Amino acid sequence: SQELEQSPQSLIVQEGKNLTINCTSSKTLYGLYWYKQKYGEGLIFLMMLQKGGEEKSHEKITAKLDEKKQQSSLHITASQPSHAGIYLCGADSNQGGKLIFGQGTELSVKP
Amino acid sequence: EAGVTQSPTHLIKTRGQQATLRCSPISGHTSVYWYQQALGLGLQFLLWYDEGEERNRGNFPPRFSGRQFPNYSSELNVNALELEDSALYLCASSYDRDTYNEQFFGPGTRLTVL
Repeated sequence: SQELEQSPQSLIVQEGKNLTINCTSSKTLYGLYWYKQKYGEGLIFLMMLQKGGEEKSHEKITAKLDEKKQQSSLHITASQPSHAGIYLCGADSNQGGKLIFGQGTELSVKP
Repeated sequence: EAGVTQSPTHLIKTRGQQATLRCSPISGHTSVYWYQQALGLGLQFLLWYDEGEERNRGNFPPRFSGRQFPNYSSELNVNALELEDSALYLCASSYDRDTYNEQFFGPGTRLTVL
């Protein structure tokens, strides 16, 4: 079965610094989704990537899906305390409605 | 436009009891998905309902069940609660079964089993 591995598991950065979170799949990705979760709360949809080489940006967050479609990266520029939370990558499992998720990356931003 | 809503926010039960969790999808969405997020285990797919029918279920025992009502809202029932059922239960919805890869999540129900 397909698995998603995120790195790093946790990250502490100083406000204003840039950071990158990676998501690696054990199989070819047919759809890759990035979500943000505040601890103990629901998931907020950030971006969806479907094509190899695709790159999307929203405010200071950029996500890319590599050409071989087995890895995605999420890059935050000039981080702010509001960026703190758990970032999850999710993928289409091709198993009827089921999304699979990485274990999450916990981001803390120090003011 | 209102998002996915879930109730209750928190639920405390004891071992052996039954728990019922409720979810209302985004207006116009027909597919509802349930996930369990237990500490240390990540998000695990539980169930998928579309047009009132169960379309797929994850690797969970039969005591996890649910249904979808004609108004597309859904209920998750967990019978014979065990301590390890303590988790955040997330509901998501999508426009229809063909857009299952565009799931929008609710705030979750925190279930604690004592």
